[in-house]
Amino acid sequence: QSVLTQPPSVSAAPGQKVTISCSGSSSNIGNNYVSWYQQLPGTAPKLLIYDNNKRPSGIPDRFSGSKSGTSATLGITGLQTGDEADYYCGTWDSSLSALVFGGGTKLTVL
Amino acid sequence: QVQLVESGGGVVQPGRSLRLSCAASGFTFSSYGMHWVRQAPGKGLEWVAVIWYDGSNKYYADSVKGRFTISRDNSKNTLYLQMNSLRAEDTAVYYCARVDEAAAALAIGVWGQGTTVTVSS
Repeated sequence: QSVLTQPPSVSAAPGQKVTISCSGSSSNIGNNYVSWYQQLPGTAPKLLIYDNNKRPSGIPDRFSGSKSGTSATLGITGLQTGDEADYYCGTWDSSLSALVFGGGTKLTVL
Repeated sequence: QVQLVESGGGVVQPGRSLRLSCAASGFTFSSYGMHWVRQAPGKGLEWVAVIWYDGSNKYYADSVKGRFTISRDNSKNTLYLQMNSLRAEDTAVYYCARVDEAAAALAIGVWGQGTTVTVSS
C-alpha cells in the first residue's frame, strides 16, 4: 500500500477539466511540498508540478497544483488525448526519511 | 543537454548481486542529490534510495535497506546502486533521477530512461 492515496483512475472528455487527489498525513504532505509527475505510456516519468503549485519551464498552464492540509490536488483543464497518462504525486516523508509516491492515477480522455 | 543514462540491468538469479550505474552529463553532477526509483511491471513508482550531492547522507526504502547500497563518484559523474541478495520482488525498471534544482522536498526534476532488472531462476 502506498503512503499517499490517489484514485486509481479518472476520466473526462476532451476539452473538459479533471482533478486528481492525493491524500497523505502530517509527516508527508502536511509538512512538505508536493510534486506531481506525468508518465506517458512506455516512457519515464516527467516532473509536472513542484512545490505544490509551480510548473517547470515548458509545462503548459493547463496543469495546476494545490495543497490544503494533508491533501493535494492536480488539475488539468482543456483535456487533450495526449494527456492520457499515469499521474503520480510525491513528497518527502519526514518520519520515514523517504521519498513517497502515491499509487498513481490513470487518466483516460474519452 | 541534461542526460542520465543507466546501465547494468539484466537477468539475475535470486540471491545474487547486480550493480547498476548511471552516467550523468550536461550538468554539474557534484552539485545535485540523486535518487534511484523503480517500477515493477504494471505497477506504480517506488522510491529506492537517495544520496546527497556530496555523498554525506543516504536514505533507503525499507524494502531494500540492508541489501542495496547507493553511492556516487563525482569525479566520474556516475551514480551507482549495488544490489545484493536480490529477490523476485526486486524485478523492475530502475530509474536514475536527479533532484530538481528549484524544488523542495527532494522532488525529481530529471529522469533517466531506465534499465530493467529481472530476478528469476
